[in-house]
Amino acid sequence: GAVVSQHPSWVICKSGTSVKIECRSLDFQATTMFWYRQFPKQSLMLMATSNEGSKATYEQGVEKDKFLINHASLTLSTLTVTSAHPEDSSFYICSATAESKKETQYFGPGTRLLVL
Amino acid sequence: SQQGEEDPQALSIQEGENATMNCSYKTSINNLQWYRQNSGRGLVHLILIRSNEREKHSGRLRVTLDTSKKSSSLLITASRAADTASYFCATGLNQGGKLIFGQGTELSVKP
Repeated sequence: GAVVSQHPSWVICKSGTSVKIECRSLDFQATTMFWYRQFPKQSLMLMATSNEGSKATYEQGVEKDKFLINHASLTLSTLTVTSAHPEDSSFYICSATAESKKETQYFGPGTRLLVL
Repeated sequence: SQQGEEDPQALSIQEGENATMNCSYKTSINNLQWYRQNSGRGLVHLILIRSNEREKHSGRLRVTLDTSKKSSSLLITASRAADTASYFCATGLNQGGKLIFGQGTELSVKP
């Protein structure tokens, strides 16, 4: 149980385009979802916390107009990288927590974004 | 900002040996968790230890927590080649809240 999927698993796009990444909890309802960014050989940097039906809370230094997060249902959150540039190339990972077990985050497999 | 620091950054051992990774943090916590990440993949939750606990076991994993020193250790006993991965500690400042991840330890277990 507690499976989280991400789609797409990898994406290559041209500079200036927008990219949407989906995060789904497959077998549980995710009251909270988190979005992270990870550079090669580095740790996870929390970008934002997303609660179903409300606006996301962004970490300091993360541009909310650049990284749009929508959490429209208890099983789906999306991250849209708007007007992507090469410096946005990274590994984006989402995680989700269930109401019954809030302390543990279940992670998706990640999405590798390459902006040319 | 990152709260946790881990050492060593990289660890290479032979199969069958034990692997110990350490994590230090800066502020008071509600819990501390250890995750594993295989190259290019998402993270897998290994074990959670609460701030009022000192030690926890799960299979070949043993985690200790010393809140007075703000540090934790993860011990993997009788390591296997399949244990090769990056291991991250993460601190939870409150229940159900966000996690702050350490820099990670890259473990390589040679057959």
